[in-house]
Amino acid sequence: DGGITQSPKYLFRKEGQNVTLSCEQNLNHDAMYWYRQDPGQGLRLIYYSQIVNDFQKGDIAEGYSVSREKKESFPLTVTSAQKNPTAFYLCASSKRQVSYEQYFGPGTRLTVT
Amino acid sequence: QKEVEQDPGPLSVPEGAIVSLNCTYSNSAFQYFMWYRQYSRKGPELLMYTYSSGNKEDGRFTAQVDKSSKYISLFIRDSQPSDSATYLCAMSRNSGGSNYKLTFGKGTLLTVNP
Repeated sequence: DGGITQSPKYLFRKEGQNVTLSCEQNLNHDAMYWYRQDPGQGLRLIYYSQIVNDFQKGDIAEGYSVSREKKESFPLTVTSAQKNPTAFYLCASSKRQVSYEQYFGPGTRLTVT
Repeated sequence: QKEVEQDPGPLSVPEGAIVSLNCTYSNSAFQYFMWYRQYSRKGPELLMYTYSSGNKEDGRFTAQVDKSSKYISLFIRDSQPSDSATYLCAMSRNSGGSNYKLTFGKGTLLTVNP
């Protein structure tokens, strides 16, 4: 089955700790994205990558970091510098020239206390 | 003014009703208009997309774009309880490539009651 996997589904961390969220796709897509979803806020773009070893900041990149060493993988690290990290995080991928058709993973709900 | 405005609802309708979901936008450069459906605690999935103005129909779903009014709609005919979800509109200037950005509305929560 082709698709996007995110792990874990639920993640709990103490304040001040960095945490890495996993995202893997086997759709052979070049482009990958990370979004954050808060109640009443819709989806906000954190980082995106159009190709391996290249990525760009989205609208709310502060306190986050990413890497794109492999086409299939786009992990997101939530650092201790992110002031309000508790949220639902969604990873997506798409063909590079058909980026309006994004395929989303099931999401990771991160709770930081 | 936000680039994309969407009434968050919630919207509650009886089974079989016609549902109308809407978004307005301010950026006249948007050319691609999408509707995503998101079930509770799941990732969104693309329902339909429309390029520029006009209508597009897919089964019980019809998407309309009126670029002159900067207004898009999604109609659901013969609504079913399985249609209960959050519906997100999304828009972009182009189809993809460098510096691509998809701008989402906040989503409308729809409940279809049996």
